[in-house]
Amino acid sequence: QKEVEQNSGPLSVPEGAIASLNCTYSDRGSQSFFWYRQYSGKSPELIMFIYSNGDKEDGRFTAQLNKASQYVSLLIRDSQPSDSATYLCAFPSGSARQLTFGSGTQLTVLP
Amino acid sequence: DAGVTQSPTHLIKTRGQHVTLRCSPISGHKSVSWYQQVLGQGPQFIFQYYEKEERGRGNFPDRFSARQFPNYSSELNVNALLLGDSALYLCASSVTSGGGREKLFFGSGTQLSVL
Repeated sequence: QKEVEQNSGPLSVPEGAIASLNCTYSDRGSQSFFWYRQYSGKSPELIMFIYSNGDKEDGRFTAQLNKASQYVSLLIRDSQPSDSATYLCAFPSGSARQLTFGSGTQLTVLP
Repeated sequence: DAGVTQSPTHLIKTRGQHVTLRCSPISGHKSVSWYQQVLGQGPQFIFQYYEKEERGRGNFPDRFSARQFPNYSSELNVNALLLGDSALYLCASSVTSGGGREKLFFGSGTQLSVL
């Protein structure tokens, strides 16, 4: 079983809709989670960080964490074409607490 | 403030050659991590350095090595290049070495092509 599972997509949503991106993880000891956005040909950019159960909101982005279900999600409200990118979830693991990444979900927001 | 800077941005090498990639962290950050990202996959951890000490190593062969300098910049070296080493190499910096809530900030990466 992979440590982090993401739906690879591609996921397409119309402009203005809510995009929902999901991630499951296998390490029950994981305490914090990160969402990165990566535009094609660019490097990952940190957009959200969550370590408590429940929701964390930042502008149009909401991260949801459910440790009991080992599930973390990212909701993007009022999706814009500029949100079209690959979204990577990651959590710290290993002796160095290095980030383990999922393979990413490719999101396309259609105008 | 400058972000994480990496050089070169692109590199073309042939099999068997050696390559050195360079990274300068964000000012005030003392930890540097290296990741390899193959097209269509998430970044994979290679090394982490903090205060010039190796703090972690991923599942990569000994052909991969790295070091961190007193000014916290870092080099990643890859010997005896293979076709499969073709990837985007990402450097990330953070204030400290982890603890689970440390935010990593990535540089723009070095795209390595091995022919």
